[in-house]
Amino acid sequence: DVKVTQSSRYLVKRTGEKVFLECVQDMDHENMFWYRQDPGLGLRLIYFSYDVKMKEKGDIPEGYSVSREKKERFSLILESASTNQTSMYLCASSLSPGFSNQPQHFGDGTRLSIL
Amino acid sequence: AQSVSQHNHHVILSEAASLELGCNYSYGGTVNLFWYVQYPGQHLQLLLKYFSGDPLVKGIKGFEAEFIKSKFSFNLRKPSVQWSDTAEYFCAVILTGGFKTIFGAGTRLFVKA
Repeated sequence: DVKVTQSSRYLVKRTGEKVFLECVQDMDHENMFWYRQDPGLGLRLIYFSYDVKMKEKGDIPEGYSVSREKKERFSLILESASTNQTSMYLCASSLSPGFSNQPQHFGDGTRLSIL
Repeated sequence: AQSVSQHNHHVILSEAASLELGCNYSYGGTVNLFWYVQYPGQHLQLLLKYFSGDPLVKGIKGFEAEFIKSKFSFNLRKPSVQWSDTAEYFCAVILTGGFKTIFGAGTRLFVKA
């Protein structure tokens, strides 16, 4: 079974801090994704990556960056945290686009609060 | 832009009631369709998926969904809900050959025991 592990379940940071959220998957998936989940808005894609060192902006990339130095690891970086980035952050992975009928596998999420 | 609409944000049912959650998408090309479920305190997991073939697909825990191409719909159904079905349900669409999955806003289902 695919395992997607996010480094923290809960995180509290201060405004202006640089924040790192880490995600690791164990199934050699090419694609990895970062979403934020807010009530009534569903999941909104921040960034995704389809290969090592490759990244693409999603729908709401402003204020975020990502890093994918190894296939199994995809990091989300909040360059200078702001209170409107308080949210639940979900990491997901899936097989390559040749298998777009493959579902995404999600981590447990990181609930991030910016004070 | 492509979008996915879920008609109900909150649904409250008694046990044994029938469930239907609506989902419509706006893309006219070939799509792959999913329903995901998030139980309280747990990660999102796949409930069922449709790629091709029989438009009525069966998923886990007695759920099913019907793809109606002419209506751009993929509604989720269950004949008799249980208290343990209390969860948030997300409809999702990915364009065939694409990377990006588009999620609906979610429907929170609460089943009264």
